[in-house]
Amino acid sequence: KQEVTQIPAALSVPEGENLVLNCSFTDSAIYNLQWFRQDPGKGLTSLLLIQSSQREQTSGRLNASLDKSSGRSTLYIAASQPGDSATYLCVTRNAGNMLTFGGGTRLMVKP
Amino acid sequence: NAGVTQTPKFRILKIGQSMTLQCTQDMNHNYMYWYRQDPGMGLKLIYYSVGAGITDKGEVPNGYNVSRSTTEDFPLRLELAAPSQTSVYFCATSSGPINYGYTFGSGTRLTVV
Repeated sequence: KQEVTQIPAALSVPEGENLVLNCSFTDSAIYNLQWFRQDPGKGLTSLLLIQSSQREQTSGRLNASLDKSSGRSTLYIAASQPGDSATYLCVTRNAGNMLTFGGGTRLMVKP
Repeated sequence: NAGVTQTPKFRILKIGQSMTLQCTQDMNHNYMYWYRQDPGMGLKLIYYSVGAGITDKGEVPNGYNVSRSTTEDFPLRLELAAPSQTSVYFCATSSGPINYGYTFGSGTRLTVV
């Protein structure tokens, strides 16, 4: 059974810092990996989707990498802003059409 | 661009009552899903559908029922609400089985008292 772990569970940084969120998964037989952000009391907003054949995806200040063989993905956020404060979820898509969610990293960017 | 629309956003039910959580999508996606998110926990799959007329159980289907009569709609039914069903419910869609991402609705926060 796939297990997805996100480290750290919580992170507080001053505005402007570059930061890295980590995601590890136990079963490398994934179809894709998706990063979401979830604001308090809100739904999930898709940030980046990386297919199993890809190494990274970029969108604006966000860059996500994928190393399937080692079971790792990182989400890099450049020049963080207070508006980036949210919980970030790493999600793998596995055989059987199943999604496995990490526990999330709760990010706080202080002005 | 409505995407995935869930109604209601909030609901309080008494034990034993029934209700239907609505999910509608305008993206013509074949795959639709219902997840629940308990406080401080990840999302768990309740039911999913790969197309109109086809539904299947997920990880935690007990106490719920679904139907998929159209591509657009995937309602989730709670027949006899229990306190253990207090949760936030998310509907999601995907355009394909493998190499596609998911789009989530904004959720329904349900409290059973």
